[in-house]
Amino acid sequence: AQSVTQLGSHVSVSEGALVLLRCNYSSSVPPYLFWYVQYPNQGLQLLLKYTSAATLVKGINGFEAEFKKSETSFHLTKPSAHMSDAAEYFCAVSNAGGTSYGKLTFGQGTILTVHP
Amino acid sequence: DSGVTQTPKHLITATGQRVTLRCSPRSGDLSVYWYQQSLDQGLQFLIQYYNGEERAKGNILERFSAQQFPDLHSELNLSSLELGDSALYFCASSGRDRIDTEAFFGQGTRLTVV
Repeated sequence: AQSVTQLGSHVSVSEGALVLLRCNYSSSVPPYLFWYVQYPNQGLQLLLKYTSAATLVKGINGFEAEFKKSETSFHLTKPSAHMSDAAEYFCAVSNAGGTSYGKLTFGQGTILTVHP
Repeated sequence: DSGVTQTPKHLITATGQRVTLRCSPRSGDLSVYWYQQSLDQGLQFLIQYYNGEERAKGNILERFSAQQFPDLHSELNLSSLELGDSALYFCASSGRDRIDTEAFFGQGTRLTVV
């Protein structure tokens, strides 16, 4: 079975600083990985996804993530944080077997706080 | 706007009651997924329907059931409610049941059981 672990339930950065949100996965088959963002009182919005086409994936709002098989990681980064980036971020892996391919297994989430 | 509509947005009900949550997927999407988000369990997959048929089950209690209708909208039925069922319930939809297909999420129904 696939699983993801997000290191750090809370991350705090200053506006303009680098954002780094960590995600490690466990999968017996090549994984398909996603990052979603959840703003307060809203649903989840897809930031980016890795589907084996390229190891460096660029997403919306200036975010990107690099798939590193040797480290089983898919960390999310943004060079310069903006106040509007404050939200909760979820790493997820899609099912690679069984009867459903589209269901997602989520990490516990990381709350990003951005200070002025 | 993801195109996925969930109603109601908020629901407050008493223990032992039964409620129905409704989801309209994006136009043309065949797959509907239900997730539960709670503080202690995080985001958990409950169940998936694909074109009217159950495709996969996750951590869904026997008191909970779902269905997808011919017009592709879905309903999640929660019965004999307990305090611990209080959570945010999300519906998501996708066009194809493929491993690389992204899911689009609704804004959720916040259920409070008192």
